[in-house]
Parts: sequence; C-alpha cells; structure tokens
Amino acid sequence: GEDVEQSLFLSVREGDSSVINCTYTDSSSTYLYWYKQEPGAGLQLLTYIFSNMDMKQDQRLTVLLNKKDKHLSLRIADTQTGDSAIYFCALLNDYKLSFGAGTTVTVRA
Amino acid sequence: DVKVTQSSRYLVKRTGEKVFLECVQDMDHENMFWYRQDPGLGLRLIYFSYDVKMKEKGDIPEGYSVSREKKERFSLILESASTNQTSMYLCASSPVRRGENNEQFFGPGTRLTVL
Repeated sequence: GEDVEQSLFLSVREGDSSVINCTYTDSSSTYLYWYKQEPGAGLQLLTYIFSNMDMKQDQRLTVLLNKKDKHLSLRIADTQTGDSAIYFCALLNDYKLSFGAGTTVTVRA
Repeated sequence: DVKVTQSSRYLVKRTGEKVFLECVQDMDHENMFWYRQDPGLGLRLIYFSYDVKMKEKGDIPEGYSVSREKKERFSLILESASTNQTSMYLCASSPVRRGENNEQFFGPGTRLTVL
C-alpha cells in the first residue's frame, strides 16, 4: 500500500486552531479523507477532498491539499473539548483506503 | 443512515481457538473490508470483498480468512488465534460508484484479546 505519514500527538488549548498534517507518497489517489475516532468508537468521516481541489471548507473544518508537496492538512477552528479524538488521514485508490497512523488530539482547558 | 454493525464489542479468546467476527451492513454496498487497528500503526487492511463469494487479500492477510456468502454479511475468521492477533478489528463497507466518492462506512469495532 501507499505510505501515509502523520505525527502521532497534538496538544491544543481550547479555543485555538488545530492543524493536523499528513504526507503521502503516491499521487494517484482520487479522494483524500479525514476520519475522526472518539474513544471506544469506530471511525466517522469528517470531510474529504477531491484530488483536483486545493481547498475545501466545511464550517469549522478547512482541508488544504498541496499536490506538488504531497501534503494534506486539516485545520479545526475554535477547537472544543469534543474535538479530542484520534484523526486519521486516508487516501483512496481503486476502492481501497491507505491510512496514516492517526494523530491523537488532546484539547486542554 | 448507513449502518454497519459488528457482532461483538469485546471478545476474549484463548490461544488456538477458532474465532469468528461478523459484520453486517444495511445499505446494499458491494464492497466490504476488514481492518485491524494497532496504536502507532493506524488501520491496516486484512481482506477486502467486492462481491458475494469474492475476496482479495489486503496488506496483512496471514493468519486470517474471510467469508462472504451474502451481500450484507462479511465474516473474518481466525483459524487458530494467537496472542499477536490481540487488536481492535474494524469492518467497513462502501458502494461502487465509478468516478465518484466511494466513502467507507465503519462499524464500531471489536476489541479482541487472545490469552
């Protein structure tokens, strides 16, 4: 499968912005996703971006895609305690997803 | 709403036992997947099925097999469980829509402990 890398941990103060980064090796992915996993739960799709887009905004979430650098990021504005979770980036190729290791986001008061 | 259900949330088995993990989806999706999730490794694909009775190996199929006798049900089988198969197992399903977003929908996971 493709190599997808994320940093493992991020600590952010409540009300600040969080930025979670993801880098990948294969540029043939058609869709790129961000999933959220709360403790003890399965994965929930947060947002996605089509590979011919540079940016997508959805309420507090902004996804940026830099195809030249093979870099995907997720920005969460006004981070809340309910945003504490593990965030996975995932790339779609031929119906299969390749996942990063997941970034554990901790929101502190 | 798409629903993917898994037969157990928690399971404890002994080394050498045969283990069945069941997954059911209610959206008539063609594709179904089994992943295992381990800290620091993310999700790794074990097996994938694109149709009834069809299966394809993922990245880590060793020690596992699968069965898909009906479109809505995909089973993961550990023929002889070992301690290194202690993990969280996640099932997912997705539709087949050519050229469109084929989002995968996930079940809640089964945390398997092999003693």
